[in-house]
Amino acid sequence: DADVTQTPRNRITKTGKRIMLECSQTKGHDRMYWYRQDPGLGLRLIYYSFDVKDINKGEISDGYSVSRQAQAKFSLSLESAIPNQTALYFCATSGPTQETQYFGPGTRLLVL
Amino acid sequence: GDSVTQMEGPVTLSEEAFLTINCTYTATGYPSLFWYVQYPGEGLQLLLKATKADDKGSNKGFEATYRKETTSFHLEKGSVQVSDSAVYFCAHSEGNNRLAFGKGNQVVVIP
Repeated sequence: DADVTQTPRNRITKTGKRIMLECSQTKGHDRMYWYRQDPGLGLRLIYYSFDVKDINKGEISDGYSVSRQAQAKFSLSLESAIPNQTALYFCATSGPTQETQYFGPGTRLLVL
Repeated sequence: GDSVTQMEGPVTLSEEAFLTINCTYTATGYPSLFWYVQYPGEGLQLLLKATKADDKGSNKGFEATYRKETTSFHLEKGSVQVSDSAVYFCAHSEGNNRLAFGKGNQVVVIP
């Protein structure tokens, strides 16, 4: 079984809808991250969390929110989706003394 | 601020050709350096890393050397295969377990 899982893998929604992307991990890592990937722009950090009570904004947090429900779960919400949030979203984890991050398979989101 | 720069554009080459993807970085201090690979339809996975100057990371025939004097971490492979077709991302640590990624390079290997 995969160590980092994301649901759903694909999602189509309409402008203005609220949606949630979920991430779960079985690696026992404290640190979790949400990125978005756009063609030609690489990966950009949206939010990150170093433990259950810790939430930090990344470079492009506007229009997004997150929830760290447990050590193993980190959810990303789009409160009111807009078309320029169409992208591939990745969750990642890392251990406390490790810099290496481990990525989920991604969620492809299309906002119409 | 800190950043990672990868060469522009996709890379197309024939099987068994030599591959180089350039990566340079700007950072304060002495970051760790990484190459991640993304195969079609998958998430990123670590390919190799180096944590200090002059270290060489290697994996699956790929190599990259941490060059502090030129702030570079170029990825090389001597003989590519079709299965190496993927997107390759260079990254450096920003401290506090954050990573800064380059824009990525699509590599297409033609049989």
